[in-house]
Amino acid sequence: GQNIDQPTEMTATEGAIVQINCTYQTSGFNGLFWYQQHAGEAPTFLSYNVLDGLEEKGRFSSFLSRSKGYSYLLLKELQMKDSASYLCALYNFNKFYFGSGTKLNVKP
Amino acid sequence: GAVVSQHPSWVICKSGTSVKIECRSLDFQATTMFWYRQFPKQSLMLMATSNEGSKATYEQGVEKDKFLINHASLTLSTLTVTSAHPEDSSFYICSARSRGSSTDTQYFGPGTRLTVL
Repeated sequence: GQNIDQPTEMTATEGAIVQINCTYQTSGFNGLFWYQQHAGEAPTFLSYNVLDGLEEKGRFSSFLSRSKGYSYLLLKELQMKDSASYLCALYNFNKFYFGSGTKLNVKP
Repeated sequence: GAVVSQHPSWVICKSGTSVKIECRSLDFQATTMFWYRQFPKQSLMLMATSNEGSKATYEQGVEKDKFLINHASLTLSTLTVTSAHPEDSSFYICSARSRGSSTDTQYFGPGTRLTVL
């Protein structure tokens, strides 16, 4: 398996910055993706990394370090609507393998 | 952006019946579609990969005779849960990969919530 690990739940304050980590154990993959999923809805694509480094996309940024087996999703200027689950997924050979997701609670 | 629809959005059925779920790519051609299952508070688990015009590839532990997948065209894939039982109750989500897409992302349908009584 891919052994993808994420924290189960996090809480942050509106307007703050939060970092959601994802660690994995796999020999190789094509890309690492981040998805947002609200309860009862399908996931929506946020960001992906193929190479090491930071990818910035508005309030969301994603970072990848292949050598360390580590990625994170950074959310800035948190809004109440950001309360959702955030899924880390490895893309390998035309398949996606998802982590268990991190439930983010944004409080006023 | 790319839109993927699923029908029905929810279904309640009796144990032993079969249920068909449709997944359509509305504004693009999907060479590959994926079917996932998600139990409450768990992540998405890939069930099978479906390529247009060929047999689906099932993940280990997924019964191909129970979960029948047909990908008859570049815009439609169907998942039929045969002889459904209460343990099959779950959220079934399809996704589609765009033909000629410059990135390897996939677009998810809204999901189908199946409840087997």
